[in-house]
Amino acid sequence: EAQVTQNPRYLITVTGKKLTVTCSQNMNHEYMSWYRQDPGLGLRQIYYSMNVEVTDKGDVPEGYKVSRKEKRNFPLILESPSPNQTSLYFCASSLLGAIPTNEKLFFGSGTQLSVL
Amino acid sequence: AQSVTQLDSHVSVSEGTPVLLRCNYSSSYSPSLFWYVQHPNKGLQLLLKYTSAATLVKGINGFEAEFKKSETSFHLTKPSAHMSDAAEYFCVVSDHTGFQKLVFGTGTRLLVSP
Repeated sequence: EAQVTQNPRYLITVTGKKLTVTCSQNMNHEYMSWYRQDPGLGLRQIYYSMNVEVTDKGDVPEGYKVSRKEKRNFPLILESPSPNQTSLYFCASSLLGAIPTNEKLFFGSGTQLSVL
Repeated sequence: AQSVTQLDSHVSVSEGTPVLLRCNYSSSYSPSLFWYVQHPNKGLQLLLKYTSAATLVKGINGFEAEFKKSETSFHLTKPSAHMSDAAEYFCVVSDHTGFQKLVFGTGTRLLVSP
């Protein structure tokens, strides 16, 4: 089954304790992206990747890192989490066709992160 | 710069009545427009998309949306609501450059009562 898998679904941590949220897709998609969802703000892009070893900042990259060493995986790293990073996080992926916006984003089920 | 405004944070309907979720956009280019749906504890799923072909776009589960350039609107409609339509809906705009320029609306929560 085609899917984007995020782990964990729920995570509670304390300020300053490094954490990684994993994201994996089985569709051979070139494009992957991380978003955070906050009440009243919709989804905001954190980082995205157009292919292996190609990553770039989205709208809210501060406090986050990513890596794309393999096509299927795109982990999100919080080196020193802070309470303002408490949020619902989504990973998404897509093919990159000739007209990129004609393609469809596939989303994971989300990771609810609480930083105390 | 692009932006999208969802005019209602919550919409309540009765089962069997029409659904209207409103979205206005602003874009410097010919935009691509999307509606995504998010059911509780699930990721977002594409409902439909407009990419400069037909202005009336049909999506999954009986939803459709009409692109109106003169009104800069892309409202989502369904003739008859079902209980399973209760979810959050996001209007999304993009220019021609791709996903890195996607802008999401703040969402409209649709409540469906029996």
